[in-house]
Amino acid sequence: AQSVTQLDSQVPVFEEAPVELRCNYSSSVSVYLFWYVQYPNQGLQLLLKYLSGSTLVKGINGFEAEFNKSQTSFHLRKPSVHISDTAEYFCAVSDRNFNKFYFGSGTKLNVKP
Amino acid sequence: DAGVIQSPRHEVTEMGQEVTLRCKPISGHNSLFWYRQTMMRGLELLIYFNNNVPIDDSGMPEDRFSAKMPNASFSTLKIQPSEPRDSAVYFCASNRAGNEKLFFGSGTQLSVL
Repeated sequence: AQSVTQLDSQVPVFEEAPVELRCNYSSSVSVYLFWYVQYPNQGLQLLLKYLSGSTLVKGINGFEAEFNKSQTSFHLRKPSVHISDTAEYFCAVSDRNFNKFYFGSGTKLNVKP
Repeated sequence: DAGVIQSPRHEVTEMGQEVTLRCKPISGHNSLFWYRQTMMRGLELLIYFNNNVPIDDSGMPEDRFSAKMPNASFSTLKIQPSEPRDSAVYFCASNRAGNEKLFFGSGTQLSVL
């Protein structure tokens, strides 16, 4: 079975500051890793994914994440955030067949002016 | 493409009433997922279908919950009888089986009084 832990339920940050949202996972098998973003009153949208290859993956809106197998982590980063990045961010894992997707509890990013 | 369509957008009902949530996946997608989002538990996978067949319903909380997918373009999630603790946002998502990207609907906000 797989599980995802997002330690920070809320992260306040000022505009133009860097941010890191933490994600750790556990799994007895190899998994694929994802970050999704949820803007208010909307469904989730795919931000980025790690399937294979380079451990540093880049997504939309200037976000990137690094897969660290030894630490079972997949932290999300952005060097300079904007007000428009205010949203809830979910880390997720799936099995190799993309049959089941498990999500973390989410981290609310609040970007302040 | 219209995306994943869920209805109703909001549902307010009284305890004990039957509630039916509806979902139309993206045309051509043959996997469909139902998720529930709450503050306490985050985003939980309730059930998923592949080619209209329920594959894993281990996330369905109780027998009061049931889901059907009579054809490739329609699915329902029913709660009978509903209880206040069922209040949550219910999301439907779909993808092509074996594809890594999930597409989410806008969700149904359910309030059981």
